[in-house]
Amino acid sequence: DQQVKQNSPSLSVQEGRISILNCDYTNSMFDYFLWYKKYPAEGPTFLISISSIKDKNEDGRFTVFLNKSAKHLSLHIVPSQPGDSAVYFCAASAKGGADGLTFGKGTHLIIQP
Amino acid sequence: GAVVSQHPSRVICKSGTSVKIECRSLDFQATTMFWYRQFPKQSLMLMATSNEGSKATYEQGVEKDKFLINHASLTLSTLTVTSAHPEDSSFYICSARKTSNTIYFGEGSWLTVV
Repeated sequence: DQQVKQNSPSLSVQEGRISILNCDYTNSMFDYFLWYKKYPAEGPTFLISISSIKDKNEDGRFTVFLNKSAKHLSLHIVPSQPGDSAVYFCAASAKGGADGLTFGKGTHLIIQP
Repeated sequence: GAVVSQHPSRVICKSGTSVKIECRSLDFQATTMFWYRQFPKQSLMLMATSNEGSKATYEQGVEKDKFLINHASLTLSTLTVTSAHPEDSSFYICSARKTSNTIYFGEGSWLTVV
């Protein structure tokens, strides 16, 4: 049973527009959520995180929104740039991030010129 | 910024042999490191949590006698795949926790067992 779900394997967005990546989770014990970006054959790179006590966190072009009642979070990238093309993983953890992370399967974001 | 380094990045070994992968936190001390495995087109799956100076905690379904984890110092954790088989071929990646909610990942190690 997958506890973190990214239902879109891929997403294509035009350069300059907004990219919205979605993530759903089932475990109500999760209280800390992260987004990672990954290029082929490289390790994930941390992008942004959010604690369950917040519903929004913003860092430059990246904003993460958390809807606890819906067990849903989303990553917004605006404006999208060619270098944003990568696989994006949503991850969740219980105990405020102290435990290991449970990852979704990732969404391949393709930014088109 | 913080860097976590893994070595080797790629390794090919013969079936039945053992292979060791190192994970180092280069500019911070990590009391906890995590080991993940990723099969093609799958998500990263947590294998075990490695705590400095104590035994690793393995996730359900991960054989602790096959995947030996040692966290001998605050900057180094090792994963040894013993008696490797072709089905162990995968992408192995570690992460190190710098603070309670800051986690950095290594570059990953591709293991191919032939």
